[in-house]
Amino acid sequence: GNSVTQMEGPVTLSEEAFLTINCTYTATGYPSLFWYVQYPGEGLQLLLKATKADDKGSNKGFEATYRKETTSFHLEKGSVQVSDSAVYFCAALSGGYQKVTFGIGTKLQVIP
Amino acid sequence: DAGVIQSPRHEVTEMGQEVTLRCKPISGHDYLFWYRQTMMRGLELLIYFNNNVPIDDSGMPEDRFSAKMPNASFSTLKIQPSEPRDSAVYFCASSRGTGDYSPLHFGNGTRLTVT
Repeated sequence: GNSVTQMEGPVTLSEEAFLTINCTYTATGYPSLFWYVQYPGEGLQLLLKATKADDKGSNKGFEATYRKETTSFHLEKGSVQVSDSAVYFCAALSGGYQKVTFGIGTKLQVIP
Repeated sequence: DAGVIQSPRHEVTEMGQEVTLRCKPISGHDYLFWYRQTMMRGLELLIYFNNNVPIDDSGMPEDRFSAKMPNASFSTLKIQPSEPRDSAVYFCASSRGTGDYSPLHFGNGTRLTVT
């Protein structure tokens, strides 16, 4: 099966700092890759996705590029805001039936 | 679109009691997933259904856990008897099966505390 490894948190940044959250995966074939975000007291919601090598997913100022050669899908944002404070999950899907494998989650705290 | 609705939001029960968690998926979604989230193990897939039929229950931890989906608009996850180690947040999610990936839509979860 698939597995997803993400950097341990928590990550604490000042507002307007640059964000990187690392994610690597192991999978059979070429999985689709995702970042989900979880705000306090809520369920996860899709942030962005990439379905093939070299694709770049982007949303709300966040970006991630599907790197087949390094099996990575790192999340980046150029200038974080306090409202970005949340838990971020990297995820992979391959094969049928939409069975998604999630990483452990990385908590981001942005301070003013 | 009301989103995925879970009930209750919080459940506190004593060890040995039966617990039933409920989920109403988004109308038109034909996949339904039950996840468990803990600090130690992260997000674990327990079971998922396609068109009300259980497809993969390999993540269900023990026979104490069972899940049903009697119709397209309702699912339950039951724990009987409950134990303190079952304390976690349980999420239900649904998605629409298409040729391309359809994102998971999560409910707000049920926080279960077993004392």
